[in-house]
Amino acid sequence: DTEVTQTPKHLVMGMTNKKSLKCEQHMGHRAMYWYKQKAKKPPELMFVYSYEKLSINESVPSRFSPECPNSSLLNLHLHALQPEDSALYLCASSQQSGTTYEQYFGPGTRLTVT
Amino acid sequence: AQKVTQAQTEISVVEKEDVTLDCVYETRDTTYYLFWYKQPPSGELVFLIRRNSFDEQNEISGRYSWNFQKSTSSFNFTITASQVVDSAVYFCALSEARVQGAQKLVFGQGTRLTINP
Repeated sequence: DTEVTQTPKHLVMGMTNKKSLKCEQHMGHRAMYWYKQKAKKPPELMFVYSYEKLSINESVPSRFSPECPNSSLLNLHLHALQPEDSALYLCASSQQSGTTYEQYFGPGTRLTVT
Repeated sequence: AQKVTQAQTEISVVEKEDVTLDCVYETRDTTYYLFWYKQPPSGELVFLIRRNSFDEQNEISGRYSWNFQKSTSSFNFTITASQVVDSAVYFCALSEARVQGAQKLVFGQGTRLTINP
């Protein structure tokens, strides 16, 4: 099973709201990723967790706060977002040993900030 | 610096035609990995293939084939007898050397492929 699930599929939030995006995988992968994708652009890496520890933060504003409660779950907490943060947010996971492995992506959450 | 170039922004062909998507990459690493992903309108990126820098064998999977040439730093993707369901955005990607135990992907800008019935 190569499935990564994400909830919700769509989210509309105001600039003062607090919301969270959730991602789950059951492939035993130990690396998990958050990407942001604007229309007609490639995905942009935001965060990488390796063995439940944050290993890469691509200088993402603090209004985005990632969390990895366990090896299967990845959250992205959102607070005080701006309209330009509206995008498709993709979660991905990959194996974490030896040869570099492919990343498996979830279906994404389409976020609209009003 | 690592870079992936997909010069074809959009391609439109009629069903059953063959189509090749170009990918050119730049890297100073001797060990690297190349990938192709498909992104249909639904939004999910679907993994298609991974190739490491030491394996220059071409690969065929059904109607899909990939041509990896280190001499020209290219990793092209061909769809034979295209079908409407092949319509999607296709991304070529390069993985950097492992950073802090995790992999970073460098994506090309993508090629939007439209297959017309």
